[in-house]
Parts: sequence; structure tokens; C-alpha cells
Amino acid sequence: AQKVTQAQTEISVVEKEDVTLDCVYETRDTTYYLFWYKQPPSGELVFLIRRNSFDEQNEISGRYSWNFQKSTSSFNFTITASQVVDSAVYFCALTFSGSARQLTFGSGTQLTVLP
Amino acid sequence: GAGVSQSPRYKVAKRGQDVALRCDPISGHVSLFWYQQALGQGPEFLTYFQNEAQLDKSGLPSDRFFAERPEGSVSTLKIQRTQQEDSAVYLCASSFGLERDTQYFGPGTRLTVL
Repeated sequence: AQKVTQAQTEISVVEKEDVTLDCVYETRDTTYYLFWYKQPPSGELVFLIRRNSFDEQNEISGRYSWNFQKSTSSFNFTITASQVVDSAVYFCALTFSGSARQLTFGSGTQLTVLP
Repeated sequence: GAGVSQSPRYKVAKRGQDVALRCDPISGHVSLFWYQQALGQGPEFLTYFQNEAQLDKSGLPSDRFFAERPEGSVSTLKIQRTQQEDSAVYLCASSFGLERDTQYFGPGTRLTVL
């Protein structure tokens, strides 16, 4: 069975601080895909990144960076120099090859960036 | 189309009423998914369509839940005889259809059952 764990329920930081959101996953499959989504107060899930299990290169996109480590089954997300607009719930999700492709989500981390 | 759209955005139903939630996927997207998101939780899978075929409905919580996509585009999620535990946000997502494809989500329908 697949499982995604986001142990941090809520995080609060002051603007311009760096913050890392943790994601740990469980799967028996060798081919799988990991995702991060952002859910602002408006409610819509916004896609941020997708990684496949064969690509362990870290990725940076502006202030966002992702650290994928298969050895520890983790896919952590770092926001550098956080801004108030980053305040949202962030979800990590997993899907695996051969499934009906539904996403298995973690319970989310509520990030609040204070001015 | 520009993005996934859902209607209505908010729905209040009395216990026992039937409701129908609509999803318009992104144009050209073959796959369509429905998820249920309870307050403070991550979305949970309900059902999946590939074109008009419903390939997986393992997540539907009871036989009161029914989904269709008759022409392979717009989809409707119907809940019969609503119960208070059905109160949640119902999210629709679509993708091109390959297993590696990203799912893009609509704004959701917030259902409140009184």
C-alpha cells in the first residue's frame, strides 16, 4: 500500500525566513511519481512539481527547491526567503506506475508566513 | 479550455436530498478524477475516467455516490440521499492520460449537508 506522511501539521515563519516542508512516502513500487501541490485559501490545488522515481536530481525553481532522496524515501520542499503570499496548505502526493493513476496525498502542512 | 471548472462552487443540501456536481475538464484531457477533501485533510480518491469509461470507482464511499462522463468530456458526480458525513469539498482533476501526467485541479465544490 502507498502512504504519504507530512508530519508537520502547521508551520509559522516570519517573512524572509527559509522554511522546509517534510514529506516521507511509502511504496513497494520501483516506478512512481511524486508531486507537490499548493492550496491557497481560495481552495484550488495548484501544481508545483512532479518527479519520477528514477530522477534523484534536486530541482530549483526561483525561491522553491526540492530534495528527493530515495534512500530515506523523502521528498522535501524548501522555500527560500518566504513571502506572505506563500501562506497556504502544501500537499505532497504519490502515484505509481500501473495504478489507475490516482494520487495518494499526505495530510498537508499549513504554512503561515507572517509579515 | 483555460482550466478545470466546477459548478456549483458551493452547495447546501438538506439531509436526504440528492445533489449533482459538475466538472468541465481541460480541453483535450482524456483522464478525469474525482476526489473528496474533508476539512483539514488531504484529498482522497473517489473515481477515475479514461474518456467515457469509468475504470476505477474503488474510492466511492457508498452506493449513494455515482459518477458519469457519458461523452468523455463533462463529468457529473451525483450523491443520493445526502448525509451529514458527505459534507466536504469535492475536487475534480484532469490530465492528458499517460501515467506520468500531471493532474490539474478545479476549484472544487464545497458541499454542506444540514
